[in-house]
Amino acid sequence: AQTVTQSQPEMSVQEAETVTLSCTYDTSESNYYLFWYKQPPSRQMILVIRQEAYKQQNATENRFSVNFQKAAKSFSLKISDSQLGDTAMYFCAFMKHDRVDMRFGAGTRLTVKP
Amino acid sequence: DTGVSQDPRHKITKRGQNVTFRCDPISEHNRLYWYRQTLGQGPEFLTYFQNEAQLEKSRLLSNRFSAERPKGSFSTLEIQRTEQGDSAMYLCASSLTQPSSYNSPLHFGNGTRLTVT
Repeated sequence: AQTVTQSQPEMSVQEAETVTLSCTYDTSESNYYLFWYKQPPSRQMILVIRQEAYKQQNATENRFSVNFQKAAKSFSLKISDSQLGDTAMYFCAFMKHDRVDMRFGAGTRLTVKP
Repeated sequence: DTGVSQDPRHKITKRGQNVTFRCDPISEHNRLYWYRQTLGQGPEFLTYFQNEAQLEKSRLLSNRFSAERPKGSFSTLEIQRTEQGDSAMYLCASSLTQPSSYNSPLHFGNGTRLTVT
């Protein structure tokens, strides 16, 4: 079974600085998708960024980028120029190519300090 | 389009009682998912509908749980004979097509928080 591990339960960063959230996963599959979701306090979970395993190029969405290391089964999220609105729980998620069920990590609580 | 809505937001019930939650997906989304999130954990997949057909069920979905999606629109999740271990946030999500598709991410609702006393 696939497992997703987020080893940092909590992190904090100063506004405008850069922070990296870690995620590792375990799978024997070669074709899959990885995601980072953000869950702000008392608000809906939203997709931040996604990565297809067959693509070597790291995904980027504005201030958010990933470092995808397939051999190491690592998928970290880098947030540049952190903003107060980035304060949230961040979940890393894995999904096999031909499946619809996502497997989520336990999350990292990120606090951006003014 | 107001997104995925769930009702109620909070539910407190006594052990042994039955509860039912409702999810209204984004109107054009034919795929609907239920997840459960316990304190300090990420969401866990429960079940998946494509239109009115329930196509996937997790082992987490015991026989006390039943989900329906009549006419492929809203969905209900019922828990019979609730137990304290059922206390969790129940999240509904919808998507237009396969959630791995770039243009079809999962859209989550705010969830229903269930407390079983």
